[in-house]
Amino acid sequence: SQKIEQNSEALNIQEGKTATLTCNYTNYSPAYLQWYRQDPGRGPVFLLLIRENEKEKRKERLKVTFDTTLKQSLFHITASQPADSATYLCALSRGGGGNKLTFGTGTQLKVEL
Amino acid sequence: GAVVSQHPSWVICKSGTSVKIECRSLDFQATTMFWYRQFPKQSLMLMATSNEGSKATYEQGVEKDKFLINHASLTLSTLTVTSAHPEDSSFYICSARPSDRDTEAFFGQGTRLTVV
Repeated sequence: SQKIEQNSEALNIQEGKTATLTCNYTNYSPAYLQWYRQDPGRGPVFLLLIRENEKEKRKERLKVTFDTTLKQSLFHITASQPADSATYLCALSRGGGGNKLTFGTGTQLKVEL
Repeated sequence: GAVVSQHPSWVICKSGTSVKIECRSLDFQATTMFWYRQFPKQSLMLMATSNEGSKATYEQGVEKDKFLINHASLTLSTLTVTSAHPEDSSFYICSARPSDRDTEAFFGQGTRLTVV
């Protein structure tokens, strides 16, 4: 069955450091991989999308890599700030009609002063 | 960016009653909307795909007679939890995608349902 796994433990880092979150998947051939941020009691907010034929995508302090051979995506937040503290979800889609998203388990990030 | 509004943000109801949750795309049209359920410290689980003008597609294990979905227009989908029970208490989230895109999804703020 399809499985999407993220760092199961919460990730605590110091302000200014780079946070790296991992998303691994099995039994899936996604056309897109997406990263979302979710704050407590709120819906997810879209951050970045990377396609299967792309290796890396950047947006301001965010960087995503996508390795379809390893079936893994890495999500980096550079120069992290306390305001980056949230749960980060990866989501996969085969694209096309409906574009159903399958979400990973999420990683809780805490950036400390 | 695209805005999806979900209402209500929270609701408390008695066992056996029905609750309706609305999901509106405010500044775009959405042929497809999605309904998710999220338990504490767990990820989003897709319940159903709501298609404008046709029947919703439910995921395996989701009772279509219990979770009624109506997608009456290109900007509104509703989820009705019928004969609610305490185990239906959860965080329900909708998402929508502009009809001219097949990429990122925009989510509502979620509805916290508590059945007592």
